[in-house]
Amino acid sequence: AQSVTQPDIHITVSEGASLELRCNYSYGATPYLFWYVQSPGQGLQLLLKYFSGDTLVQGIKGFEAEFKRSQSSFNLRKPSVHWSDAAEYFCAVGASGGSYIPTFGRGTSLIVHP
Amino acid sequence: GAVVSQHPSRVICKSGTSVKIECRSLDFQATTMFWYRQFPKQSLMLMATSNEGSKATYEQGVEKDKFLINHASLTLSTLTVTSAHPEDSSFYICSARDAGAYGYTFGSGTRLTVV
Repeated sequence: AQSVTQPDIHITVSEGASLELRCNYSYGATPYLFWYVQSPGQGLQLLLKYFSGDTLVQGIKGFEAEFKRSQSSFNLRKPSVHWSDAAEYFCAVGASGGSYIPTFGRGTSLIVHP
Repeated sequence: GAVVSQHPSRVICKSGTSVKIECRSLDFQATTMFWYRQFPKQSLMLMATSNEGSKATYEQGVEKDKFLINHASLTLSTLTVTSAHPEDSSFYICSARDAGAYGYTFGSGTRLTVV
């Protein structure tokens, strides 16, 4: 079975600073990988996904993530954070065979200081 | 893009009553929908997979008699929390797979409070 680890519960950055949220996965084959963002009291919005091909994936809102097979990681990055980026971020992994229903990490709460 | 509408966004009910939550795919057909539960400051836990025209598949530990799922059409799945108790208070989110987008689209969630 697949699993996801997001080692950071909270991350605090200053507005304009760069951001990296960590995600490590466990899965026997090449996984499908996702990053979602959740604002308070809201559902989840897909930021980006990796299925195959180029390991650097571009998403919405200026986010990108890099799949590193050797490290079993799929870290999310943004070069310059905006106050509106404050939210909960979830990494998810889906099995590459079948319906790839995502399994979620526990989430990382991003706090942005002005 | 694919849109999933979930209703209501918030509901407060008395203990012992039942509450129905609707999940609709607005611009695509979803043969399969998913129901998640999220506790405060925690991740999403998959409760069940809702299959159009057949019985839902429940995850281990989820009471199928308490959480009734119906998927009567390709665009609508409902979750009914029966005989609700305060411990059922939570944030419930539905999701549908959009085969064309090769991804999962989530509803905006329902905050259930049982008093």
